[in-house]
Amino acid sequence: QQQVKQSPQSLIVQKGGISIINCAYENTAFDYFPWYQQFPGKGPALLIAIRPDVSEKKEGRFTISFNKSAKQFSLHIMDSQPGDSATYFCAASMDGATNKLIFGTGTLLAVQP
Amino acid sequence: EPEVTQTPSHQVTQMGQEVILRCVPISNHLYFYWYRQILGQKVEFLVSFYNNEISEKSEIFDDQFSVERPDGSNFTLKIRSTKLEDSAMYFCASSGEVKAFFGQGTRLTVV
Repeated sequence: QQQVKQSPQSLIVQKGGISIINCAYENTAFDYFPWYQQFPGKGPALLIAIRPDVSEKKEGRFTISFNKSAKQFSLHIMDSQPGDSATYFCAASMDGATNKLIFGTGTLLAVQP
Repeated sequence: EPEVTQTPSHQVTQMGQEVILRCVPISNHLYFYWYRQILGQKVEFLVSFYNNEISEKSEIFDDQFSVERPDGSNFTLKIRSTKLEDSAMYFCASSGEVKAFFGQGTRLTVV
């Protein structure tokens, strides 16, 4: 019940396309859902996060869509660029950012020029 | 933007030796964490620390591990007797009420 399932494992998108990464969870006590971007040899960097009281949050080219009834959330990267090529992790926690994060398994995104 | 700082960036140690990984969290954060990432795998929670004590630990965080906030700014992870399977990236994180930030990690290699 503590797991967060992430798909796909890897994704290849053409420059300018839309990248979509999906996550699902079981524990309805989760109330904070961030997405992290990680480049090789670096730490995870917070991209965008959402709470379950909204269905969508947008920051620049990054959008989180959240479906509370289905217990799913997704990251959409609009106008994908080669510089977006990285590993993306979804995560979830209880009690917001003040509690441990449960991470998904990661998606390796490659944006082809 | 403020950042979490970790040292060293890379540590190589002999099996059975003790290592201390160091972190300087963001100054006004109150919640501190250590996570581990084995090469190519997901980030796993090790331990959380709040109000000068451990608030939660995973089953990975056994008696070989300990954490300390010795001087009000540093946050350390000690592995008492390293094993080959402790080889991983170790990330420190800190959070306020809204966001959690990660350091750049320490790559620990046990030989």
